[in-house]
Amino acid sequence: KNEVEQSPQNLTAQEGEFITINCSYSVGISALHWLQQHPGGGIVSLFMLSSGKKKHGRLIATINIQEKHSSLHITASHPRDSAVYICAVGAGANSKLTFGKGITLSVRP
Amino acid sequence: GAVVSQHPSWVICKSGTSVKIECRSLDFQATTMFWYRQFPKQSLMLMATSNEGSKATYEQGVEKDKFLINHASLTLSTLTVTSAHPEDSSFYICSAVGQDKSYGYTFGSGTRLTVV
Repeated sequence: KNEVEQSPQNLTAQEGEFITINCSYSVGISALHWLQQHPGGGIVSLFMLSSGKKKHGRLIATINIQEKHSSLHITASHPRDSAVYICAVGAGANSKLTFGKGITLSVRP
Repeated sequence: GAVVSQHPSWVICKSGTSVKIECRSLDFQATTMFWYRQFPKQSLMLMATSNEGSKATYEQGVEKDKFLINHASLTLSTLTVTSAHPEDSSFYICSAVGQDKSYGYTFGSGTRLTVV
């Protein structure tokens, strides 16, 4: 069993839809990261969470430490949101990250 | 915000030659640099961790003599793929953690290496 599991594996949505991507982990962590990777390969760090909820624009990330679960929500989805979304966890500052396999999101116009 | 500049973005080289990839932290000091490789449709795989002024720590199965990592300053880390072979063709990406650890990890834009 992978230490970081993401679901669903692939996701297709219609523009404007509300999207939720899930991440579960089985190890102790100090922080969870949501990353976005576009087809060109570059990675953007969206959120770093250790508790509660964060919001940035149309993106909302939540984490439940007790349940070892995090969700990334995208409101009013747009085709430019099409990317791979990766969940990663770290055990401490400067520690290496353990990555999920990523979810490929396609938003159709 | 924090930016890591990674160069080159893509490179094609002949078998047997060496390729150097650079990652520079532009507006912060990177105390730790992580180097990853990613095969198509796969997740990121950590190759090594380097701390400024120290020898890199390599993950199991990664040849330290083949993938040379230098982190001589707080703003520059390099990965050199020596005697490259076609199986080294991959996407290589770095991520840095700065002295202000609360900021998190900043990723470079990646380097697509093709060995022919």
